[in-house]
Amino acid sequence: QVQLVESGGGVVQPGRSLRLSCAASGFTFSSYVMHWVRQAPGKGLDWVAVISYDGSNKYYADSVKGRFTISRDNSKNTLYLQMNSPRAEDTAVYYCGRDLAVGAMSPFGYWGQGTLVTVSS
Amino acid sequence: EIVMTQSPATLSVSPGERATLSCRASQSVSSNLAWYQQKPGQAPRLLIYGASTRATGIPARFSGSGSGTEYTLTISSLQSEDFAVYYCQQYNNWPRTFGQGTKVEIK
Repeated sequence: QVQLVESGGGVVQPGRSLRLSCAASGFTFSSYVMHWVRQAPGKGLDWVAVISYDGSNKYYADSVKGRFTISRDNSKNTLYLQMNSPRAEDTAVYYCGRDLAVGAMSPFGYWGQGTLVTVSS
Repeated sequence: EIVMTQSPATLSVSPGERATLSCRASQSVSSNLAWYQQKPGQAPRLLIYGASTRATGIPARFSGSGSGTEYTLTISSLQSEDFAVYYCQQYNNWPRTFGQGTKVEIK
């Protein structure tokens, strides 16, 4: 079955860096678009970034553009989110998500359990 | 950016009753609309996509309808496990955007 397991969360100081990982299993990772979605404490869902199946195309929410970088290693079935210069407002649970199906228009069919990032000095 | 607006923010319903949740998009999303359920401490779960198609394993008491800019999620007879927060999301345009959520609570 599809499994997505995030790791790498924790407390990070503003302006420092943190890298999140998402280990995928149970499907052909290299065939699917992958996303990061976050949820601030007590708030709603906020899409962060997307990467194409082969890593050639990436797209970011305006709130993280220029600071965060999404990447993937298809040989390791792993998705990454490099968080540079984080701010207090980036504090959230970060979920990785997989498109439901291969194709241009697809909802988030599968989610990891999330990893909490707290930006604080 | 397409803004998704859900109503009401909170819905108080008794077990066994019907619940109707609404979602409005600021422009047409061409039925590329999904509904998710989220319980405390858990990741969201896909319920409905394509505005009206139930995801695998989702009970028939969940149904979706709508088109263009107006969408509805109906839970025909609420069970105890259905009390949760529900989000709509459009996947027609980038960036993908979510509504702010509707909390379905026990009356």
